[in-house]
Amino acid sequence: AQKVTQAQTEISVVEKEDVTLDCVYETRDTTYYLFWYKQPPSGELVFLIRRNSFDEQNEISGRYSWNFQKSTSSFNFTITASQVVDSAVYFCALRNYDNTPLVFGKGTRLSVIA
Amino acid sequence: GAGVSQSPRYKVAKRGQDVALRCDPISGHVSLFWYQQALGQGPEFLTYFQNEAQLDKSGLPSDRFFAERPEGSVSTLKIQRTQQEDSAVYLCASSLDGTSGSPFTDTQYFGPGTRLTVL
Repeated sequence: AQKVTQAQTEISVVEKEDVTLDCVYETRDTTYYLFWYKQPPSGELVFLIRRNSFDEQNEISGRYSWNFQKSTSSFNFTITASQVVDSAVYFCALRNYDNTPLVFGKGTRLSVIA
Repeated sequence: GAGVSQSPRYKVAKRGQDVALRCDPISGHVSLFWYQQALGQGPEFLTYFQNEAQLDKSGLPSDRFFAERPEGSVSTLKIQRTQQEDSAVYLCASSLDGTSGSPFTDTQYFGPGTRLTVL
């Protein structure tokens, strides 16, 4: 069975602080994909990144960076120099190679205070 | 280009009423997914189409839920005899090709959702 755990329910930071959102996953498959989505108050899930299980390179995109560690089954997301516009619920998700539905964690609500 | 659109954005129904929720995927996207998101939870899979074929409906919670995509484009999720536990946000997502394994074609893009409240 697949499972995604986001242990942090809510995080509050002051603007310009760095923040890391944790994601731990479980799967029996050797080939799988991991995703992060952002859900602002408008409700639409916005795709941020996808990583496949063969690629453990960390990735940086502007203020966002992702740390994939297969040994600990984690795919953590760091926002550097957070901004108020980063306030949203962030979801980590997992997908098998063969099964197309995404399995989501419960999300982490990030509040960035000016 | 246009993203995934859903209508209505908000729907209030009395218990026992039937409702129909519409999803317009991104033009040309082969795969279409429906998810249900309860308050404070992550989205949960309901059903999946590839073109007009419904390939997986294992997530539909009861036989009151029915989805269709007759021409392989627009999809409708119908809930018959709504119950209070059906209150949730219903999200639709589409991808160019759900089974290719390519990061460029099988990433799912989501619509804004329909918030259903059953009184």
